[in-house]
Amino acid sequence: ETGVTQSPTHLIKTRGQQVTLRCSSQSGHNTVSWYQQALGQGPQFIFQYYREEENGRGNFPPRFSGLQFPNYSSELNVNALELDDSALYLCASSLGSGGGTEAFFGQGTRLTVV
Amino acid sequence: GENVEQHPSTLSVQEGDSAVIKCTYSDSASNYFPWYKQELGKRPQLIIDIRSNVGEKKDQRIAVTLNKTAKHFSLHITETQPEDSAVYFCAADPLKAAGNKLTFGGGTRVLVKP
Repeated sequence: ETGVTQSPTHLIKTRGQQVTLRCSSQSGHNTVSWYQQALGQGPQFIFQYYREEENGRGNFPPRFSGLQFPNYSSELNVNALELDDSALYLCASSLGSGGGTEAFFGQGTRLTVV
Repeated sequence: GENVEQHPSTLSVQEGDSAVIKCTYSDSASNYFPWYKQELGKRPQLIIDIRSNVGEKKDQRIAVTLNKTAKHFSLHITETQPEDSAVYFCAADPLKAAGNKLTFGGGTRVLVKP
């Protein structure tokens, strides 16, 4: 086990609703990145949090937002859910003061929007 | 931004044969290139990585080569076994800041036939 845990594992929401996904980083890791993985595709970078600050964002609209807490756990919030938001959401934690450190992934949250 | 292309999308090999997966990237600033293995329903797991100051790296049956001039890198698996069957993703990271901001390829589904 890598130590990165995500909750919940599965979630079904209705279009227009809001959702919060949670990630506990591996002990000692101060950086959490979030990725969206659509079926049959590679993960896409959503954003990253480093020491409680957003530290980079991918090509996702503002209705995707997040937080990082003092214990370095993190939340991903998605407002006004759309059908295309259905995907596996992965978080990855790492220890970083520079890039290129190994990213340890959680098992993911499977979000279905109906 | 970075764009990573991965080929082939599917690869079927006989047990004991070799498998080669190729990736190209667009951003010359990328300096870290990890490879992840994702089994069905499981989290991506790092299998090998390479940094731009190295041309080749080997770990038992797997090896990765990097050609920075041509902006491509490859994964080589020798003596394939049925447990190598999975989806493999290449990724690139610009090493510009903390942690990792990985751009993934689209994945290669590898099937090793016994």
